[in-house]
Amino acid sequence: EADIYQTPRYLVIGTGKKITLECSQTMGHDKMYWYQQDPGMELHLIHYSYGVNSTEKGDLSSESTVSRIRTEHFPLTLESARPSHTSQYLCASSETRGLNGYTFGSGTRLTVV
Amino acid sequence: AQRVTQPEKLLSVFKGAPVELKCNYSYSGSPELFWYVQYSRQRLQLLLRHISRESIKGFTADLNKGETSFHLKKPFAQEEDSAMYYCALRAGSYQLTFGKGTKLSVIP
Repeated sequence: EADIYQTPRYLVIGTGKKITLECSQTMGHDKMYWYQQDPGMELHLIHYSYGVNSTEKGDLSSESTVSRIRTEHFPLTLESARPSHTSQYLCASSETRGLNGYTFGSGTRLTVV
Repeated sequence: AQRVTQPEKLLSVFKGAPVELKCNYSYSGSPELFWYVQYSRQRLQLLLRHISRESIKGFTADLNKGETSFHLKKPFAQEEDSAMYYCALRAGSYQLTFGKGTKLSVIP
């Protein structure tokens, strides 16, 4: 089924560890996005990509990095996790001027201890 | 730059009462407006698009360009409507600009 998938759903990790949050979509969308969201709070855009080998930083400064080597895959990496990185991370994708806006993944709830 | 304002962080209504979630935007051109909903422990999902002029789960939203508003309305609230609601604007570019969200709580 065409969808957008995020793994893991939950992650508890120690300070200083390197982590990668996975995001893959099977809808053939060219645009992909990463948002940071504390539960029930506003969405903060941290990274986006308009296509392969294209990545940009979003409105919220983030110590994370992203890559877009394949259309369907948009992983987010934290080189050294800190407690301040504790949050929910949402991945989304869209077609160029798609009528439905964005399709969101289920999110990864990250806790850094 | 475009902006979306949702003035109410929290809105509580009784079951069966009318609901109106406010959304105002700032953009000088022709916007595309969306409402997204996030139920507890579920992913953020599209509820309405202004271009469709549809009613989903009893909700409607009309784009008022004169008042730059896109308020979400439902005549009779149900308990299952309790959720976070986000208004979003697409202003020419690919990106959506989201409001800060309104938490709707329907009291039984």
